[in-house]
Amino acid sequence: EPEVTQTPSHQVTQMGQEVILRCVPISNHLYFYWYRQILGQKVEFLVSFYNNEISEKSEIFDDQFSVERPDGSNFTLKIRSTKLEDSAMYFCASSEAVRSYEQYFGPGTRLTVT
Amino acid sequence: AQSVTQLDSQVPVFEEAPVELRCNYSSSVSVYLFWYVQYPNQGLQLLLKYLSGSTLVKGINGFEAEFNKSQTSFHLRKPSVHISDTAEYFCAVSVPTGTASKLTFGTGTRLQVTL
Repeated sequence: EPEVTQTPSHQVTQMGQEVILRCVPISNHLYFYWYRQILGQKVEFLVSFYNNEISEKSEIFDDQFSVERPDGSNFTLKIRSTKLEDSAMYFCASSEAVRSYEQYFGPGTRLTVT
Repeated sequence: AQSVTQLDSQVPVFEEAPVELRCNYSSSVSVYLFWYVQYPNQGLQLLLKYLSGSTLVKGINGFEAEFNKSQTSFHLRKPSVHISDTAEYFCAVSVPTGTASKLTFGTGTRLQVTL
């Protein structure tokens, strides 16, 4: 069964550094998303992406964040100048065009900022 | 804006007992409703969804949920739980827009099944 994959599974970085989280969505999907879950809190929407542009972003998704689909398979989330409060689990999700409401999630990347 | 409330942060239950995980939502427009399950160290897996039609929806692993519009609820039930059902359960809503629709999640309910 096709699945969303994410790398790395765990990323440790120092405050102020830049990180890139990578996702490979399901191959025929056209809509892509990033969510995050701070430890002990709920899953929060960050951004959605379609047709090579951002469809919607949350208040969390400020200038520190950017997304990109550099080729036909990868979908990346870049976090510049990381802060301690960026420590969280980051989930990538994708959905197909016909059933765009049904999102499939990857296993997540745990980001630890020290 | 939409919001989701999961009143129970933890639900302990014995194996083979029934369980109900509660979810209430708030929205000024019609929404789609979902339940996701997160097993330890794994991503979110869709359990079931309500889009329209019959208010009782059946999902994977023997779970079902009932949409109640008047009470703005979407409670998840299982008649007999198994140890393997131990996980975090998230209720979520999205507004059908025809394009990419974000999910708004509740805070989650940890279901702990014991012998």
